[in-house]
Amino acid sequence: GAVVSQHPSWVICKSGTSVKIECRSLDFQATTMFWYRQFPKQSLMLMATSNEGSKATYEQGVEKDKFLINHASLTLSTLTVTSAHPEDSSFYICSATLTGGLETQYFGPGTRLLVL
Amino acid sequence: AQSVTQLDSHVSVSEGTPVLLRCNYSSSYSPSLFWYVQHPNKGLQLLLKYTSAATLVKGINGFEAEFKKSETSFHLTKPSAHMSDAAEYFCVVSDQRNDKIIFGKGTRLHILP
Repeated sequence: GAVVSQHPSWVICKSGTSVKIECRSLDFQATTMFWYRQFPKQSLMLMATSNEGSKATYEQGVEKDKFLINHASLTLSTLTVTSAHPEDSSFYICSATLTGGLETQYFGPGTRLLVL
Repeated sequence: AQSVTQLDSHVSVSEGTPVLLRCNYSSSYSPSLFWYVQHPNKGLQLLLKYTSAATLVKGINGFEAEFKKSETSFHLTKPSAHMSDAAEYFCVVSDQRNDKIIFGKGTRLHILP
């Protein structure tokens, strides 16, 4: 089946620094990738939808200048948490879809971010 | 507006006994419904999905779910639990008209030996 990877799997950083998370579709070309955030014991919250070669579409309440998304190729999307603060600590999950729709998403294993 | 409610945050069953994970939804339009499983340190895996075809949907690993419009439910079941079923399960609703996707808060399934 389709495989999506994320790198790094976990990261610890100091407050004020920026962190980049990569999401790759390993064996298929993903027209659309999604970025989610998951708080402990809570559900996944969609942050943004990213289409290759165009600007990401952010969900209401998500700061686009804080969470920079780049989708430069059909197999790679990156999420950069700029000037990270402790409240940005969370589990970030990406997913990729072959068809561009929501119906069949393949999820990455997630990236645990801890901001000190 | 869409919403999805997973009625139990934790469910414990003995190995070999039936599993029932409950999910209720609300949607203004015809929804698509999904169940995903999340094992520790692994990506979410699609178990099954309902997209307005047969109301009883069979998925992987022996799971199935029944779409009941009158009850606005999409409960996940399995006749006999296995130790490897221990994981977090998410019910998800997607509105086909506005492409919004909503995850439930998840149900942690514990399997007792």
